[in-house]
Amino acid sequence: AQKVTQAQTEISVVEKEDVTLDCVYETRDTTYYLFWYKQPPSGELVFLIRRNSFDEQNEISGRYSWNFQKSTSSFNFTITASQVVDSAVYFCALSEAGVGNYGGATNKLIFGTGTLLAVQP
Amino acid sequence: EAQVTQNPRYLITVTGKKLTVTCSQNMNHEYMSWYRQDPGLGLRQIYYSMNVEVTDKGDVPEGYKVSRKEKRNFPLILESPSPNQTSLYFCASSMGQVSYEQYFGPGTRLTVT
Repeated sequence: AQKVTQAQTEISVVEKEDVTLDCVYETRDTTYYLFWYKQPPSGELVFLIRRNSFDEQNEISGRYSWNFQKSTSSFNFTITASQVVDSAVYFCALSEAGVGNYGGATNKLIFGTGTLLAVQP
Repeated sequence: EAQVTQNPRYLITVTGKKLTVTCSQNMNHEYMSWYRQDPGLGLRQIYYSMNVEVTDKGDVPEGYKVSRKEKRNFPLILESPSPNQTSLYFCASSMGQVSYEQYFGPGTRLTVT
């Protein structure tokens, strides 16, 4: 069964510390996609990154980096030199080609339960 | 500006009083979904739509209805709301399925008393 686990419910760091948010997933598909979304206190969901199952290269975008390891079914997210503006709930999500009643994909994102990151000044 | 809009943003209602949460996207996306977010559960898909007049159940469809009469609109209908439907609701749209990023609306916080 498909599942995304974010074991860290809450993390608190002091500004400028590095922090890693863990994400472990389960799927039987060989083709799947992994996503990270940010939910700031204002409540909207902001897309951060998408990674497909065939691309295990790490990705860096400014202070953000992602480490995808199929061997451990993990897709971890690291923020370097954290800032107060990074305070948010971060969700990891999985998308796979599950088949709906009409034969097409369900277009479903399977979300983890989220990690609340609090960055203290 | 490309966006997904939802209305209302906040709603307090009573058990059994029918309500509709509207969702509209201006990106000409074929795929749309509704999710609900609950503490400790993350977001779960309620219904999705692949195109006009094509909708299907997600993981938690009980107590909800949807319709897709126009490509841009995907309203969520609660015919007889109950307190366990108190939640934060998000509408999302995407250009395609599986690999495509989903764009989320701002959310609707619903309280059913």
